[in-house]
Amino acid sequence: QQPVQSPQAVILREGEDAVINCSSSKALYSVHWYRQKHGEAPVFLMILLKGGEQKGHDKISASFNEKKQQSSLYLTASQLSYSGTYFCGTEGQYGGATNKLIFGTGTLLAVQP
Amino acid sequence: NAGVTQTPKFRVLKTGQSMTLLCAQDMNHEYMYWYRQDPGMGLRLIHYSVGEGTTAKGEVPDGYNVSRLKKQNFLLGLESAAPSQTSVYFCASRPWRDPRGNEQFFGPGTRLTVL
Repeated sequence: QQPVQSPQAVILREGEDAVINCSSSKALYSVHWYRQKHGEAPVFLMILLKGGEQKGHDKISASFNEKKQQSSLYLTASQLSYSGTYFCGTEGQYGGATNKLIFGTGTLLAVQP
Repeated sequence: NAGVTQTPKFRVLKTGQSMTLLCAQDMNHEYMYWYRQDPGMGLRLIHYSVGEGTTAKGEVPDGYNVSRLKKQNFLLGLESAAPSQTSVYFCASRPWRDPRGNEQFFGPGTRLTVL
């Protein structure tokens, strides 16, 4: 049930772009994206509620393909502050209710000067 | 508002000892969750609650018990700690239904080491 994230890790130079993918074997109600800095709690980035929905926050955006049960997070013109581990959390019809998130194993993003 | 708080922040236990982790939220949220985070494993759901007096099992419930006697508090108990329970524990909460999406709000975490 755990969604699969790819890549597991990526190293960028400041100003470069990156894409993080999240795919599930289950039908999804929504996809959540969080970023976690080392030693801190996960911080919410955005939720995508329906198929085809795209959202953006600053230079970070995401899309959700409901039919393929996939979501992608796009980071453009990366900044040093983007460094951290990115998690997708999928919300599906688990046991007939959408009460919980199942998180992926994370993608470690390191942005270098 | 303090949001979601967790007590304690750090704890070291010996194998076989028991302890309780406290999670408190002041946002009047119905749902509360306990996760554990291990290197390379992401966040795994231990137990959760959809309201006062109710609890349900998550992905990795064995060795843990929970209670939700008050809406604002969610307790995670370890009756007999094992080294495999060394981890960082996060609590989260969310409202019953948010039209913008069911965002979960996380606490700062508790780092537990079992020797």
